[in-house]
Amino acid sequence: AQRVTQPEKLLSVFKGAPVELKCNYSYSGSPELFWYVQYSRQRLQLLLRHISRESIKGFTADLNKGETSFHLKKPFAQEEDSAMYYCALSGFQGAQKLVFGQGTRLTINP
Amino acid sequence: NAGVTQTPKFQVLKTGQSMTLQCAQDMNHNSMYWYRQDPGMGLRLIYYSASEGTTDKGEVPNGYNVSRLNKREFSLRLESAAPSQTSVYFCASLRDNGAGELFFGEGSRLTVL
Repeated sequence: AQRVTQPEKLLSVFKGAPVELKCNYSYSGSPELFWYVQYSRQRLQLLLRHISRESIKGFTADLNKGETSFHLKKPFAQEEDSAMYYCALSGFQGAQKLVFGQGTRLTINP
Repeated sequence: NAGVTQTPKFQVLKTGQSMTLQCAQDMNHNSMYWYRQDPGMGLRLIYYSASEGTTDKGEVPNGYNVSRLNKREFSLRLESAAPSQTSVYFCASLRDNGAGELFFGEGSRLTVL
């Protein structure tokens, strides 16, 4: 079974401080992991995926298979980073099936 | 392009009433999904459809039915609504390149009294 756990429902940091949003997963196959973001009054959208090994809006995430984690990090938080963040795991069962974590609401204080 | 369009945006039902949430995408994607979003529970997959004519259960299918009417449309039906189905419902379609990028609708807020 696919499972994603985000242990923090709420996270609040000051502008300029480092940010780390935690994500742990459980999956018997080879995982594909993603971070999705929902800004206020906007649609849920893809932020980044582990396969691309990219940095988007200053965020990076490294897949750690030993610890089954995919934490999202940014060295210097900005106020516009305030949003709801979801970690997602993709498995293939007839179709690519994405399962999401519980979400973390990130608030950046000025 | 409109992307993924859901209707209605808001709906209030009484317990036992039925309703259908409509979803359409104009990106020619094969796979479509219905999720519900609840505080503290995140996004949970209700049903998904790999292609026209096929549907599969997700994590929380009980109390729901779906129809993949054609490649564009994927509807979600509540036959007998219950207060536990009060939620925000999201439809999504998946880009066909295998990269896992979902495109979401704006959401439908459903309240069951």
